[in-house]
Amino acid sequence: KNEVEQSPQNLTAQEGEFITINCSYSVGISALHWLQQHPGGGIVSLFMLSSGKKKHGRLIATINIQEKHSSLHITASHPRDSAVYICAVLSYSGGGADGLTFGKGTHLIIQP
Amino acid sequence: DVKVTQSSRYLVKRTGEKVFLECVQDMDHENMFWYRQDPGLGLRLIYFSYDVKMKEKGDIPEGYSVSREKKERFSLILESASTNQTSMYLCASSSDSYGYTFGSGTRLTVV
Repeated sequence: KNEVEQSPQNLTAQEGEFITINCSYSVGISALHWLQQHPGGGIVSLFMLSSGKKKHGRLIATINIQEKHSSLHITASHPRDSAVYICAVLSYSGGGADGLTFGKGTHLIIQP
Repeated sequence: DVKVTQSSRYLVKRTGEKVFLECVQDMDHENMFWYRQDPGLGLRLIYFSYDVKMKEKGDIPEGYSVSREKKERFSLILESASTNQTSMYLCASSSDSYGYTFGSGTRLTVV
């Protein structure tokens, strides 16, 4: 079973700061997801990665397959970025869909 | 705009009731999933399905069953609701190329 660790668990920052959230996993994967959940809301998929880097607006996600590590960066952070960010990995499997292994999430608060 | 729709946003049920949570996706995805989310425990997989009439147990299937009679619909059933099943329930669907799409969740309270 893949173990997924996120850090930090909680992060409070000022508007405009550069934010980094980290995710490490223990077993080889076929894909890694970064998810966003606003308070009381459903989950939105931000990125799906299997290698390299992806960028969408102010969000950047990177993955290092050899080191089993991924980072989510937010540039020019804004109070609307306040949410829980969840890392989830899809591990290699013999067949069929077996779902994801989720990190516990990083609770981000951006203060004006 | 592709989406996964969960029939109820909030639900309150009594202990012992049979509860149905419905999930519909409009993306023609083969794979569908039910998770529950609890503080400090994160998301945990209850059941998933990779085809019509197929189902597989996830990590915490006890007390739950599922039904997938049509490709677009995946139902989670609590045969006899208990207070420890009070939780946020999230449905998701996926394809190999597109990744996962989640519903907005159903917050179930069992009293």
